[in-house]
Amino acid sequence: NAGVMQNPRHLVRRRGQEARLRCSPMKGHSHVYWYRQLPEEGLKFMVYLQKENIIDESGMPKERFSAEFPKEGPSILRIQQVVRGDSAAYFCASSPTGAGTGELFFGEGSRLTVL
Amino acid sequence: SQQGEEDPQALSIQEGENATMNCSYKTSINNLQWYRQNSGRGLVHLILIRSNEREKHSGRLRVTLDTSKKSSSLLITASRAADTASYFCASQLNNDMRFGAGTRLTVKP
Repeated sequence: NAGVMQNPRHLVRRRGQEARLRCSPMKGHSHVYWYRQLPEEGLKFMVYLQKENIIDESGMPKERFSAEFPKEGPSILRIQQVVRGDSAAYFCASSPTGAGTGELFFGEGSRLTVL
Repeated sequence: SQQGEEDPQALSIQEGENATMNCSYKTSINNLQWYRQNSGRGLVHLILIRSNEREKHSGRLRVTLDTSKKSSSLLITASRAADTASYFCASQLNNDMRFGAGTRLTVKP
């Protein structure tokens, strides 16, 4: 039973380009969370999705950032027109049920570097 | 915001000693969880304590929860060099799960 898979593990982009980060949850999990982590800091919540629905995007910047979790395929976090401040590790986590009922299972993260 | 806070920010101890990390949170919770993160890796779940529980054990881990003070502590007994990592608490309420800034634990052999 594969864990949460994130790709790419490392991504380098120049300012103004787009970054797409993918997350395949654990088998049977229909709830996906995205977090962002700056070096030596904790995880900051970005967005919580269920299949085809955004449940809570209160942690996402209003501009340039978007997330989806389609009926088929991985969840995608998309960052348009990246800036240097977007450089961070982006972690995806999944759970079989909604939050409030148990642990989250994390991927190894995608590390975005903006030149 | 649910964001929790851990203290200390960093802790350095000798192998065999106990390590205690504290966490505070701001609002009501369903449960509180502790996670571990090795450098450059994802988070791994350690233990979950529900809001109606006061203490929980798992191997060398002991977690306490005081909902009146909105605080929790994680105790790692008989620490090992392999316990060196960052430890995060996460407070959970319904669909909302928020992490603190973490405690960086170094266990010297």
